[in-house]
Parts: sequence; structure tokens; C-alpha cells
Amino acid sequence: EPEVTQTPSHQVTQMGQEVILRCVPISNHLYFYWYRQILGQKVEFLVSFYNNEISEKSEIFDDQFSVERPDGSNFTLKIRSTKLEDSAMYFCASSRTGLFGYTFGSGTRLTVV
Amino acid sequence: GESVGLHLPTLSVQEGDNSIINCAYSNSASDYFIWYKQESGKGPQFIIDIRSNMDKRQGQRVTVLLNKTVKHLSLQIAATQPGDSAVYFCAETRMDSSYKLIFGSGTRLLVRP
Repeated sequence: EPEVTQTPSHQVTQMGQEVILRCVPISNHLYFYWYRQILGQKVEFLVSFYNNEISEKSEIFDDQFSVERPDGSNFTLKIRSTKLEDSAMYFCASSRTGLFGYTFGSGTRLTVV
Repeated sequence: GESVGLHLPTLSVQEGDNSIINCAYSNSASDYFIWYKQESGKGPQFIIDIRSNMDKRQGQRVTVLLNKTVKHLSLQIAATQPGDSAVYFCAETRMDSSYKLIFGSGTRLLVRP
């Protein structure tokens, strides 16, 4: 069964450092998403991406965040200057056509120290 | 308002019994709803979905009920098994949107052997 692959599974970074979280969506999917989940809380939407541009972003997705699809297979989330409160699980998701085949990856646990 | 916090509501059931997990959604304009299962350290896994023009949909051992009048969604799991132990989230979205999912706060299901 096709999977969304995320790397690394766990990243520890110092406050103020830049991090890039990487995702390989399912190959024929057209819509891409990032979500985050702070420990013990619900999953929160960050950003959706379609046709090489952001289609919607949440209030969480401020100027410190950016996304990119650099080569047609990877989809990355960059946090420029990490804060302690950025510590969370970050999930990438992709879908074929909107809601069809909406699949989540296993996540990257980001720990900011 | 939103329901967030470190302690999830927990439903404990005996193996073989039926489970019912409830969810209140927030947006009366939402027209598509999904139930996800999340096991420890993994991403949300699709269980079953329902569109707003339906009030019931059945899958294998699972049934979703939708009551738009009171903005309530439920997931029924028949003959609950130990492998069903996980956190269950409902999610809502609009089919004419960027397909961002808005997640509920989750319920932990514990299956006693």
C-alpha cells in the first residue's frame, strides 16, 4: 500500500536554529499538507499546498514557517528560528484529488531544547 | 470553544463488546467528516468517512452516524478487539475548501482482555 514517508523520525534542535522536515508524498498525489500535534493534544492544521503554491495556512503558520516542493517528489517544512513551543509531532499528508486517498505519514517528532 | 489538554477522555470496554465514541464538531458548514485512529507514535489512520447528505455509513465492524441538527458524530465499533486500542479523532472539512481537516480533541479507547 502506498505510504507517505517522513524523515527524520525524531529531530532535536537548539532554540533559534533552523530545521527542515522532509516528506515524500504518495507519487500520484496532487495535494499536500502539514499538520502538527503537541503532546497530548489534538492534531492541528498548518498549511495546504497545491499546484506549487500555498492554498491555505493557519494562524500557526507564521513568517517563521515555509514550505517547498523542490523537485517534484519531496515536500518540506522549514522552521527558520525554532522556539521551545515548536516542539511537537509534525505530520505530512497528501491526497490524490482533494479528499480522495488522504494519507498521513508517521510523523517527525521535533524537540526544541 | 475548543477542548484541549493533556488528559484525553477515555473509554474502557471489554473485548468483544461494542464501543461508541462520540464527537461534537464545530462548523455547521462542514460537509465531510472522517474518523481517524491514532496508535502511539504513528500518524492518523483513516477508518471511515461520511458526507453531510448521509446520516449513517457502515464499514467493516465500524459504523459512523451523523446528526447535523446537533452537530454530532459517532463511531461505533462492533466486537471490539485489543488491536482497536488507540486514540480516535473525528475530523471535519468542507469539500469546496483547501481540504484542510479540523480535528476534534480525541478519545482514548482501552480494550480490556
